[in-house]
Amino acid sequence: DQQVKQNSPSLSVQEGRISILNCDYTNSMFDYFLWYKKYPAEGPTFLISISSIKDKNEDGRFTVFLNKSAKHLSLHIVPSQPGDSAVYFCAAKSGGSYIPTFGRGTSLIVHP
Amino acid sequence: ETGVTQSPTHLIKTRGQQVTLRCSSQSGHNTVSWYQQALGQGPQFIFQYYREEENGRGNFPPRFSGLQFPNYSSELNVNALELDDSALYLCASSWGGPGTTSYEQYFGPGTRLTVT
Repeated sequence: DQQVKQNSPSLSVQEGRISILNCDYTNSMFDYFLWYKKYPAEGPTFLISISSIKDKNEDGRFTVFLNKSAKHLSLHIVPSQPGDSAVYFCAAKSGGSYIPTFGRGTSLIVHP
Repeated sequence: ETGVTQSPTHLIKTRGQQVTLRCSSQSGHNTVSWYQQALGQGPQFIFQYYREEENGRGNFPPRFSGLQFPNYSSELNVNALELDDSALYLCASSWGGPGTTSYEQYFGPGTRLTVT
């Protein structure tokens, strides 16, 4: 049973437009959420995170929104750039655990 | 500052064999976690080592075992390989262990294991 779901396997966006990647979770004990980006032949790299006490966290072109009542979070990339083309993983942690549960990932392609 | 490195890059083994994968942590990191990423899936936590002791384990059988050395490098050993063990194995290092709130992990590029 997947506790972290990324229901869109892929997303295609034009350069300069907004990319919105979605993630849903089922475990109400999750209180910290992370996004990782993964290029081919490289390991995932940490991108941005959000605690459950917040509903928004922004870092440059990247913003993560958290809707606790809907158990939903999203990653917004504005403006999208071709170098953003990668697989994006959503991950979640609960309580004092430092072990994240990952979603299956969404492959983002940004067209020039 | 040296990042996380893993060896080998690729490996092909036969069902029933044993395999050892290696990981060197990022400089200054004392915690190592291992993940299995099957095709089309997200990384799944195998176990974590902190100061040479296992510090948490995911839903993997005992034939998956590990070691962490005094220099914080680590090994993942898998015995009696099965076809389903074919996956990308990722190592991640971080600073901290039990009681810390270090959430950032730095991943290596992974070892692609194919079991035939």
